Amino acid sequence: GDSVTQMEGPVTLSEEAFLTINCTYTATGYPSLFWYVQYPGEGLQLLLKATKADDKGSNKGFEATYRKETTSFHLEKGSVQVSDSAVYFCALSRMDSNYQLIWGAGTKLIIKP
Amino acid sequence: EAGVVQSPRYKIIEKKQPVAFWCNPISGHNTLYWYRQNLGQGPELLIRYENEEAVDDSQLPKDRFSAERLKGVDSTLKIQPAELGDSAVYLCASTPGPNTEAFFGQGTRLTVV
Repeated sequence: GDSVTQMEGPVTLSEEAFLTINCTYTATGYPSLFWYVQYPGEGLQLLLKATKADDKGSNKGFEATYRKETTSFHLEKGSVQVSDSAVYFCALSRMDSNYQLIWGAGTKLIIKP
Repeated sequence: EAGVVQSPRYKIIEKKQPVAFWCNPISGHNTLYWYRQNLGQGPELLIRYENEEAVDDSQLPKDRFSAERLKGVDSTLKIQPAELGDSAVYLCASTPGPNTEAFFGQGTRLTVV
């Protein structure tokens, strides 16, 4: 079945460091790929998405490129801030599965000033 | 615009007691989801509604869990009786249609003691 694998956390970085959170997936066909973020005490919210190969999703300085050849959707940011501290979830959905979201386990990001 | 509203935010109950969670989705969103999120894991789908119809409840433990969505708007999720292993965060989400962004509530954190 479909699955999403994320790098384990927590990931601890200093402010202004470069961020990469790895995400790989297993799915048949052509899934849509998502990154959701969960800030402390808040609900999950969509950060960015990509719906086809080579698409780049971007938002709030974060980017992720849909790489079909490596089945990856790694999240990157050039310069992180303390306010980026949160848990980040990679997810996929497919039309054949009624767009049910399949989630990774989440990666906790801690940014130190 | 109001987001997805869930209540209560926190609930502590003794095992074998019943508990209910309530969700008010975003107005006009026909699709509603209930997820369970265990600590350090991604959300797991429990049930999906299209309007008032439960179209996917294959992962709902029906011996103790039940859900309803009266008039295709608000929804309740009930557990009776609760077990220690039910301790988790219960998330509600809604979407305006397939393959669109899912909007999440803040969740209800259930602790069964």
